[in-house]
Amino acid sequence: AQSVTQPDIHITVSEGASLELRCNYSYGATPYLFWYVQSPGQGLQLLLKYFSGDTLVQGIKGFEAEFKRSQSSFNLRKPSVHWSDAAEYFCAVGAGDMRFGAGTRLTVKP
Amino acid sequence: EAQVTQNPRYLITVTGKKLTVTCSQNMNHEYMSWYRQDPGLGLRQIYYSMNVEVTDKGDVPEGYKVSRKEKRNFPLILESPSPNQTSLYFCASSLAPGQGASMNTEAFFGQGTRLTVV
Repeated sequence: AQSVTQPDIHITVSEGASLELRCNYSYGATPYLFWYVQSPGQGLQLLLKYFSGDTLVQGIKGFEAEFKRSQSSFNLRKPSVHWSDAAEYFCAVGAGDMRFGAGTRLTVKP
Repeated sequence: EAQVTQNPRYLITVTGKKLTVTCSQNMNHEYMSWYRQDPGLGLRQIYYSMNVEVTDKGDVPEGYKVSRKEKRNFPLILESPSPNQTSLYFCASSLAPGQGASMNTEAFFGQGTRLTVV
């Protein structure tokens, strides 16, 4: 069965610093992979997705993610974090029948 | 505008009183799902549906029912709610892999329903 692990429950970074959020997945075939962001009290917004092709995918708000099949990972990165990036981030796997990780809460220090 | 609409947004009810949360999508999506979100647990799938009259259990189906009589609607039914079903609920829809001309199978989410059972 497909599953997702986000090892970091909470991460704090300083504004302007780089960010990497980790995601590991378990899936029987070529995975459909997603990152969503949820701001406090809000719904979920898609940041980026991977289906096939180039393993480095670009998303909205300056985020990117790299698919590494050998490591079963799909880590999210941003070179310079802004205070408005403070939110909860969810990695997800699957097409139609989608499974989510437990989420990583990002705090941004001024 | 393409959207997934859930109602109600907020609901407080008492233990044992049957309730239904409605979900409707206008994108002709094959797949629809219900999730509950609890702190520290992320989104856990309750039920999903691959098509009209085709539904299957997700990871936490106990205490919930669903139906898919029409493609656009996927209501979530709590026959006898209990306090441990207090949660934030999301409905989602997506294309099935290969459906349509695109490979875009990301899920589109409703705004959520915050349910409190006392």
